[in-house]
Amino acid sequence: QVQLVQSGAEVKKPGASVRVSCKVSGSTLSDLSLHWVRQPPGKGLEWMGGLDLEDAETVYAQNFQGRVTMTEDTSTDTAYMELSSLRSEDTAVYYCVKSTYDKGHDYWGQGTLVTVSS
Amino acid sequence: DIQMTQSPSTLSASVGDRVTITCRASQSVSTWLAWYQQKPGKAPKLLIYKASSLESGVPSRFSGSGSGTEFTLTISSLQPDDFATYYCQQYNSYLWTFGQGTKVEIK
Repeated sequence: QVQLVQSGAEVKKPGASVRVSCKVSGSTLSDLSLHWVRQPPGKGLEWMGGLDLEDAETVYAQNFQGRVTMTEDTSTDTAYMELSSLRSEDTAVYYCVKSTYDKGHDYWGQGTLVTVSS
Repeated sequence: DIQMTQSPSTLSASVGDRVTITCRASQSVSTWLAWYQQKPGKAPKLLIYKASSLESGVPSRFSGSGSGTEFTLTISSLQPDDFATYYCQQYNSYLWTFGQGTKVEIK
């Protein structure tokens, strides 16, 4: 059973960057494709990007191009999502999700609340 | 990007009702369509994948159908545990997208 455990809540000022981590257990990161999804308070889900297993490249949603970087450390089975130039609209719960071409997102992390406030 | 549009945005129903939610794609996604259920304060949960395949452990009152650009999620007999928000998502293109969600409320 795959488990995804994310880092704790963050409070950041506008213009700063945030890095959220996602630790994999029950499998190894190199065997998985992890994506990131966010949800502003009271709003819907927004796909941010993730590893495309076919091309072995990370793909980013257009809304986040140039501001987001998704990386992996296979030695610790930990994935990271870094978002820069934060603004108040980036206040959201950020989820890491295991993804497959067969099922979509079948395992979700518990979520990390990132609050951007001056 | 492929746009996903769900209808209705909100649905009021009673326990025992048959409920149908529709999801339309701006272009064909074949059957690469998933449905998720989300309760307040919780991560979403996968219900249906490949348009009509039931995820393990999900009650059989949930079913999905459709292909191409039009899809439906049906709950055959609404239970108290089913009041939640439901999202569709396409994963046909390398840029995945969600619908805006449908909240199922108690009538």
